[in-house]
Amino acid sequence: DIQMTQSPSAMSASVGDRVTITCRASQGISNYLAWFQQKPGKVPKRLIYASSSLQSGVPSRFSGSGSGTEFTLTISSLQPEDFATYYCLQHNSYPHTFGGGTKVEIK
Amino acid sequence: EVQLVESGGGLVQPGGSLRLSCAASGFTFSSYWMHWVRQAPGKGLVWVSRINSDGSSTSYADSVKGRFTISRDNAKNTLYLQMNSLRAEDTAVYYCARDDFNYWGQGTLVTVSS
Repeated sequence: DIQMTQSPSAMSASVGDRVTITCRASQGISNYLAWFQQKPGKVPKRLIYASSSLQSGVPSRFSGSGSGTEFTLTISSLQPEDFATYYCLQHNSYPHTFGGGTKVEIK
Repeated sequence: EVQLVESGGGLVQPGGSLRLSCAASGFTFSSYWMHWVRQAPGKGLVWVSRINSDGSSTSYADSVKGRFTISRDNAKNTLYLQMNSLRAEDTAVYYCARDDFNYWGQGTLVTVSS
């Protein structure tokens, strides 16, 4: 099974900060990687698909990059509505696996 | 508008069974693979199972293999998850999701407790 190691698990940041979250796959997954945002009590929302494609309607401050085993989600200028938990998902092979999540909190 | 609506969750004793349903609308259900994902209280997302478009192929997480069965009825636009031999660690909100993971249901809570 492919393990997805997501870091950091939590972070404190201020509005306007640049935020970077990383997911490392235990083996190559090409670009079969998606990023999700989840707020408390809400359904996960897809932000990025195919590693770097921005979901329609998602602000352009979100971007994704990477291929193979290392992937990054970047928020260029953190906004108040971005405080949430973020997850990566590899869907290259079964079982699909999520990263452990990154909780972005207000500093 | 794409909609996925889960139902069937509830409180069940350890060792018991439950069947979840996910009613789909707003898209051609029979053309899409579908997934179940769960989230234990306060924990992260965990992929559970998937089924292909005609129901002929399935996959499962090791933690549920042999206990859970995913199925679908394309005539009824409905996805199912039959859960047997339930354990306390199966307690979670269960979400159905379309294969692109761009559409999710609102989730249904399964609590396994005596």
